Amino acid sequence: KNEVEQSPQNLTAQEGEFITINCSYSVGISALHWLQQHPGGGIVSLFMLSSGKKKHGRLIATINIQEKHSSLHITASHPRDSAVYICAGEFPQGDWFGDRGSTLGRLYFGRGTQLTVWP
Amino acid sequence: DVKVTQSSRYLVKRTGEKVFLECVQDMDHENMFWYRQDPGLGLRLIYFSYDVKMKEKGDIPEGYSVSREKKERFSLILESASTNQTSMYLCASSLRQGAIGGQPQHFGDGTRLSIL
Repeated sequence: KNEVEQSPQNLTAQEGEFITINCSYSVGISALHWLQQHPGGGIVSLFMLSSGKKKHGRLIATINIQEKHSSLHITASHPRDSAVYICAGEFPQGDWFGDRGSTLGRLYFGRGTQLTVWP
Repeated sequence: DVKVTQSSRYLVKRTGEKVFLECVQDMDHENMFWYRQDPGLGLRLIYFSYDVKMKEKGDIPEGYSVSREKKERFSLILESASTNQTSMYLCASSLRQGAIGGQPQHFGDGTRLSIL
């Protein structure tokens, strides 16, 4: 069964703190996504990774395939980082278009982490 | 830049009405998705489509149907709206998966639907 677990559910930090959000998944994935949702609803894709580490500004995403675990780190956090962070797994869905590893693009989501950064 | 446009930001309908939510994307994406988002439950997949006229049920398809007559447009239909369908509805699209890894999903701004 394709499951994604995310922790913590809520996270409060002071400006400047280093933040880590964790994500674990049940079976082998094709890709692991990190998304951000600000108040008002808009969701944006932050990272998509299948191995190693990716960095964009103060955000770093890592994945450990053997341990089925990913982390999102925010360095030098700022109040504007306050948002819901969502991890999602993209799992093979069987043989589609001649590709046994095809995911059809379907994502399985964690429940999200509400991050609040205070000045 | 990819643009996913949902027809309404806010919508109020009555119980029993047939409700149409429209989603249009402008980047020739093969995959399109409809989600609902409720507090504490996260994003849940209602239906998705990987090609024109093709559809697949997600985790919560009951009470909904979809239509994809053109590649750029994916419609969600509430056949007979009920109060438990009051929710935020989000549409997304993505390219068909490449040879390695996946493809990011691009989301619309969402429709907050209230059923009275």
